[in-house]
Amino acid sequence: DVKVTQSSRYLVKRTGEKVFLECVQDMDHENMFWYRQDPGLGLRLIYFSYDVKMKEKGDIPEGYSVSREKKERFSLILESASTNQTSMYLCASSPFLDRDNEQFFGPGTRLTVL
Amino acid sequence: LAKTTQPISMDSYEGQEVNITCSHNNIATNDYITWYQQFPSQGPRFIIQGYKTKVTNEVASLFIPADRKSSTLSLPRVSLSDTAVYYCLVGDQSGGYNKLIFGAGTRLAVHP
Repeated sequence: DVKVTQSSRYLVKRTGEKVFLECVQDMDHENMFWYRQDPGLGLRLIYFSYDVKMKEKGDIPEGYSVSREKKERFSLILESASTNQTSMYLCASSPFLDRDNEQFFGPGTRLTVL
Repeated sequence: LAKTTQPISMDSYEGQEVNITCSHNNIATNDYITWYQQFPSQGPRFIIQGYKTKVTNEVASLFIPADRKSSTLSLPRVSLSDTAVYYCLVGDQSGGYNKLIFGAGTRLAVHP
């Protein structure tokens, strides 16, 4: 059974803190993604990675960075958290680069920045 | 940039057929249209995908007209467990993986 796990379901941080969100997939997928989900806005792509150490910006990369040192792990980093980054963060993976390929999502991390 | 439009919410009763339409005015020529389902406290999961005409699987049907500017997800005989948010996903003509566009989602409530 395919599985994408995220390190925390809920996280509370303070403004200015550095925040790490971790995602691990056990399906040997090439591609991994980070989205944020906000009411009325659906899912918006922050960054994606199509290979180890490779990354591409999505629609809303500002204020975020990512790291992919191993194939199974994709980290989202908030260098200096701000209140407008309070959101649900979803990680996903897919096996091939073809963008029509099914994405498998983790359960999400609800981040609150105070 | 492609824009998708879905109804914000819909209500239905158990046993009814539900149709959710997504408008996508700038879909890429070669892209598929994909629908995802999301339950509370879970990530979205794939339901169905199609390119044109009609696709059916064990969960739903997807109707796509010839101009591909919209698609309709059809859920036959819904039950309470179909209460969820449904997203349509399309690509943008400008290309690139960073141009996958999720709709804002349709919140479906199924009542007894």
